[in-house]
Amino acid sequence: DSGVTQTPKHLITATGQRVTLRCSPRSGDLSVYWYQQSLDQGLQFLIHYYNGEERAKGNILERFSAQQFPDLHSELNLSSLELGDSALYFCASSVAGVDTEAFFGQGTRLTVV
Amino acid sequence: AQKVTQAQTEISVVEKEDVTLDCVYETRDTTYYLFWYKQPPSGELVFLIRRNSFDEQNEISGRYSWNFQKSTSSFNFTITASQVVDSAVYFCALSERWNSNYQLIWGAGTKLIIKP
Repeated sequence: DSGVTQTPKHLITATGQRVTLRCSPRSGDLSVYWYQQSLDQGLQFLIHYYNGEERAKGNILERFSAQQFPDLHSELNLSSLELGDSALYFCASSVAGVDTEAFFGQGTRLTVV
Repeated sequence: AQKVTQAQTEISVVEKEDVTLDCVYETRDTTYYLFWYKQPPSGELVFLIRRNSFDEQNEISGRYSWNFQKSTSSFNFTITASQVVDSAVYFCALSERWNSNYQLIWGAGTKLIIKP
């Protein structure tokens, strides 16, 4: 158990809908990262928050947004969903920045139908 | 340009064989960090090792060992006496400084299949 909690584990929704993925980092970790992993694909970095502030953005679509709250949990909002958004979405946390080891949640499997 | 190259897309070996996963990186920084993560079929990524650029000592942890060579910009991972449970996708990653922050660059991963 990595200590990172992601909910829900599975999500099935229709095209055009909006969903929110939630992540609780390990106790004491200030950084939260979101990644997308499509079938048989590598990890695509989406966004990094550190102590409530956005630190870096990767290949995150404009339809996607995220935030980190004062209690350090984070949410990833995906809107106007398309079939191609079906993927595994991972949250990871680390004590500091990306130069420290990250611990991953189990992921949320999103299926858009 | 891709900065972390895992040229082996998939490797298949028979149990008990030794196997080496290659990772070649590119960076202009003198201070950087290298990582290996494992993603078993269950899906969750698991941290294996972190190495900074100033520590070129090889590391051994049980059946796992890592060979860091700055001269060839490589950080290879060897599993000795492989087991079926080692079957997973293994990712190498590089953390380097970019615009006063560090950015993490992932390799494409190597799928390792250990046959019984």
